Amino acid sequence: GQQVMQIPQYQHVQEGEDFTTYCNSSTTLSNIQWYKQRPGGHPVFLIQLVKSGEVKKQKRLTFQFGEAKKNSSLHITATQTTDVGTYFCATASGGNNRLAFGKGNQVVVIP
Amino acid sequence: NAGVTQTPKFQVLKTGQSMTLQCAQDMNHEYMSWYRQDPGMGLRLIHYSVGAGITDQGEVPNGYNVSRSTTEDFPLRLLSAAPSQTSVYFCASRPRAGPNEQFFGPGTRLTVL
Repeated sequence: GQQVMQIPQYQHVQEGEDFTTYCNSSTTLSNIQWYKQRPGGHPVFLIQLVKSGEVKKQKRLTFQFGEAKKNSSLHITATQTTDVGTYFCATASGGNNRLAFGKGNQVVVIP
Repeated sequence: NAGVTQTPKFQVLKTGQSMTLQCAQDMNHEYMSWYRQDPGMGLRLIHYSVGAGITDQGEVPNGYNVSRSTTEDFPLRLLSAAPSQTSVYFCASRPRAGPNEQFFGPGTRLTVL
């Protein structure tokens, strides 16, 4: 099945700074989804990207899908303590019935 | 709506015991899935269902059984628990149409001794 790799695996970010997390694949993806999981919580859907070069914004979060549809990024500006958690990318295949997750990027925010 | 509910929240089993993890959703979603989450491994798909009476294997199905007799319920059965099945288990659902957004339950933390 399709696989996605996430880098970095861990990030420590100073409150107020920006950071980016990346999701890469060796094959062309039909879509990419991003989820956030707070410590002790469950994954929560953030967004889905399907078009080449697509860029979507949600307040301080900017999501991009690469032109070749092999990579994606999530950029967060002015980091807040509420941004702490693990960010996962995932791709759906098999008629969108199978969702394959990356291993996640655990983000710690330093006040 | 309660969304996706899972019971129990925590469970400790001995090797060789069997149990069923319950999952229910009240959103009339056709698709339901089970994932396991292990440290540093992300979430891995165990089994999924595209509707009542239809199930299929995911990435890590060995040691687990599922059935889908109703739209609402999707139980996961461990027939003979092993320490390697110690994990956090998440159930998720989504509607057939729409942006593929999966709605996750709160999870069951299982320890097999």
